[in-house]
Amino acid sequence: EIVMTQSPATLSVSPGERATLSCRASQNIYNNLAWYQERPGQAPRLVIYDASTRATGLPARFSGSGSGTEFTLTISSLQSEDFAVYYCHQYNNWPHTFGQGTKLEIK
Amino acid sequence: QVQLVQSGPEVKNPGASVKVSCKASGYTSNTYGISWVRQAPGQGLEWVGWISAYNRNTNSAQKVQGRVTMTTDTSTNTAYMELGSLRSDDTAVYYCASFDYASSGYYYTYWGQGTLVTVSS
Repeated sequence: EIVMTQSPATLSVSPGERATLSCRASQNIYNNLAWYQERPGQAPRLVIYDASTRATGLPARFSGSGSGTEFTLTISSLQSEDFAVYYCHQYNNWPHTFGQGTKLEIK
Repeated sequence: QVQLVQSGPEVKNPGASVKVSCKASGYTSNTYGISWVRQAPGQGLEWVGWISAYNRNTNSAQKVQGRVTMTTDTSTNTAYMELGSLRSDDTAVYYCASFDYASSGYYYTYWGQGTLVTVSS
């Protein structure tokens, strides 16, 4: 099973600033990585897939990068609605696995 | 637009079984899969298993193997996840999530609203 490790667990950032979230895979997953946003009381929402492709309807301030084992989600100029928990998800191998999440909170 | 609508909350005794449904609408072909993902209270996302709507192949997490059964009813485009021998640590919100592996990939574009399963005596 591929282990996904996210860092940091909690990230405190002020509105309007940039947030950088990291995700590491325990083995090569090429670009088979997605990021999801989860707001309280809501189902997760796809943000990025194939490591760097923005999902339909997501604003351009969301971007993803990386391949192999190291990945990054960057949110530039944070808006109030961006403060949430973000999960990375590898779909290169079965079983699919998720990172433990990064909580992005208002500083 | 694809929509996934799940069945309502369940409360079960330890040792019982629960069956959660997920009705998909909006797919024009059956080359899609339904994954089941759960989230225990205050915890992260945990992949439970998946089923192909095309050929009904399944795969499940080792933690629930032998206790989980995933099926589909193609006449109603509904997927089911049945989990047996329930334990307190099965208490979670169970989500279904879909992906079209023929045209896109195995990431989860659409999610159901979640079904809370509570295991308690």
